[in-house]
Amino acid sequence: DAKTTQPNSMESNEEEPVHLPCNHSTISGTDYIHWYRQLPSQGPEYVIHGLTSNVNNRMASLAIAEDRKSSTLILHRATLRDAAVYYCILKSSGSARQLTFGSGTQLTVLP
Amino acid sequence: SQTIHQWPATLVQPVGSPLSLECTVEGTSNPNLYWYRQAAGRGLQLLFYSVGIGQISSEVPQNLSASRPQDRQFILSSKKLLLSDSGFYLCAWSGLAGYEQYFGPGTRLTVT
Repeated sequence: DAKTTQPNSMESNEEEPVHLPCNHSTISGTDYIHWYRQLPSQGPEYVIHGLTSNVNNRMASLAIAEDRKSSTLILHRATLRDAAVYYCILKSSGSARQLTFGSGTQLTVLP
Repeated sequence: SQTIHQWPATLVQPVGSPLSLECTVEGTSNPNLYWYRQAAGRGLQLLFYSVGIGQISSEVPQNLSASRPQDRQFILSSKKLLLSDSGFYLCAWSGLAGYEQYFGPGTRLTVT
């Protein structure tokens, strides 16, 4: 699976939008972009995934660059409960195997 | 709806003692099952995954083993624990395509 690059940490104010970037310049045509988050002392939680088009769900939006070499996870209104480590992961559509977790972005939400 | 259970939640074991962690999934059939470990301040590392009963693939050679005696049961074992086995152990399941993985609450293991 191709590698992703994320900032180590980001801060946001409560009730403001948050844009979490992810670079994946070596992405292949069959790689899906997944986002998970991990709250303290909990297992990771699936957030969203996409292939080429932007995706929206109840938790977040995923904006994918036209060349697919980068993507952005958008939390529309950050809450204190959104403070977590956010992981951007590439996974081939043909693989039923592991998710390769990098170091992720630690999001701090300020009240 | 699907639910994944892990137990125990916390465990303190001496070096050299055996280990058995259990994971069960409810509300789905034929799941892919995974064991991950997260050392303190580190990312998640896949240890084992299984696509069916009795089918186990190991990602990292070490003194741990896994078994899948039933479709929705996944067990992580060790005959003799090492200090380096300390960490947060997470079980996860996914459908056949594996697009979304769902994680259990985890077991925090401390080897003393």
